[in-house]
Amino acid sequence: QVQLQESGPGLVKPSETLSLTCTVSGGSITSYYWSWIRQPPGKGLEWIGYILYSGSTNHNPSLKSRVTISVDTSKNQLSLKVSSVTAADTAVYYCAREVLPGAIRGFDPWGQGTLVTVSS
Amino acid sequence: DIQMTQSPSSVSASVGDRVTITCRASQGISSWLAWYQQKPGNAPKLLIYAASSLQSGVPSRFSGSGSGTDFTLTISNLQPEDFATYYCQQANIFPLTFGGGTKVEIK
Repeated sequence: QVQLQESGPGLVKPSETLSLTCTVSGGSITSYYWSWIRQPPGKGLEWIGYILYSGSTNHNPSLKSRVTISVDTSKNQLSLKVSSVTAADTAVYYCAREVLPGAIRGFDPWGQGTLVTVSS
Repeated sequence: DIQMTQSPSSVSASVGDRVTITCRASQGISSWLAWYQQKPGNAPKLLIYAASSLQSGVPSRFSGSGSGTDFTLTISNLQPEDFATYYCQQANIFPLTFGGGTKVEIK
């Protein structure tokens, strides 16, 4: 079965760029939409954006132009970059796949999540 | 953005109870609604998509209904492993948005 694993620094300084990678195993990255979602400690879920295997992206305007999502099909990896971070970007970051190929219906599976703390 | 409002924000229930959680969208989203269960320290788990389609492997005591702006998640015969926080998510219009969550607690 498909498994997702997020990786990256757990601590980022304010004003710097948060960079995370999601490695997909047990299946191909093609045919599906792949999203990044975050959850501040003790709070709810926020969709950050998606990428299709072709490279097409869409992201949440709430993060303005700070977000870059990319895909490396040769490595079966997604990446997320959030620039100019502040304490408000402290959260558990998840990558997730859409449940059905080529459609937006709901996220399954999810990675285990990785906590990123923004602090000097 | 479409606002997703869940109610109640928390509910106390006993094993064997029937629990209903409501999710209201600020505008119509057809049937493009998903429900998730999240336990502390874990990623959310997809229960229902397209308002009423049960995700593979999810027990049949979970069911979803609704369309347009009003949706419900029903857990019949509540089990000990069902005590968790539940979120709805609209999958119709970008940006995709989630409800604020409903915590199901042990009475």
